[in-house]
Amino acid sequence: DAGITQSPRHKVTETGTPVTLRCHQTENHRYMYWYRQDPGHGLRLIHYSYGVKDTDKGEVSDGYSVSRSKTEDFLLTLESATSSQTSVYFCAISEGTYQETQYFGPGTRLLVL
Amino acid sequence: AQKITQTQPGMFVQEKEAVTLDCTYDTSDPSYGLFWYKQPSSGEMIFLIYQGSYDQQNATEGRYSLNFQKARKSANLVISASQLGDSAMYFCAMREGGRDDKIIFGKGTRLHILP
Repeated sequence: DAGITQSPRHKVTETGTPVTLRCHQTENHRYMYWYRQDPGHGLRLIHYSYGVKDTDKGEVSDGYSVSRSKTEDFLLTLESATSSQTSVYFCAISEGTYQETQYFGPGTRLLVL
Repeated sequence: AQKITQTQPGMFVQEKEAVTLDCTYDTSDPSYGLFWYKQPSSGEMIFLIYQGSYDQQNATEGRYSLNFQKARKSANLVISASQLGDSAMYFCAMREGGRDDKIIFGKGTRLHILP
């Protein structure tokens, strides 16, 4: 257990509304990640962070923004949610000398109507 | 081109038998890491095992071992003495050259253990 929580765990929203998902970790990990999981696609990296205020884009970053103002919190924002963003969102941290191990949070199930 | 290929979308195996889940990867970077994760029906992602490209020995963690064949770019997961609780989705993943934005997952293999 790497002390990762995600909130909310489930959310239903309407197209066009902004949505923010929160990832919180308690063990001072430097690296944090946001993924989305969709049937037939496995997990795809949205954004990641390598420190406070240091973030970068992943494979599927369009339509998403992130912020990290504190080590423990990594926020994912959908500025204007679309139905294609209906997915399960996972936060992860990495640890180890070479960041070789990734641990995931429990996931957030988002439905955009 | 796919970087991580898991060719078995689904497998059925008898309890107590050994299981091999296939994973092939594609990279030109000499430094990379390979991961396996388990996702049970409850949805959480559980880290199982890691293999670095420079590791001389195959990684092992309890009943899990990673059959790393570098020349064939293969990183199969072997589960010895399978149990009913091993029924889950299994994902292979790769990180290239220490770059944290290059963590790529395969599409997964669904494993069913039969009593």
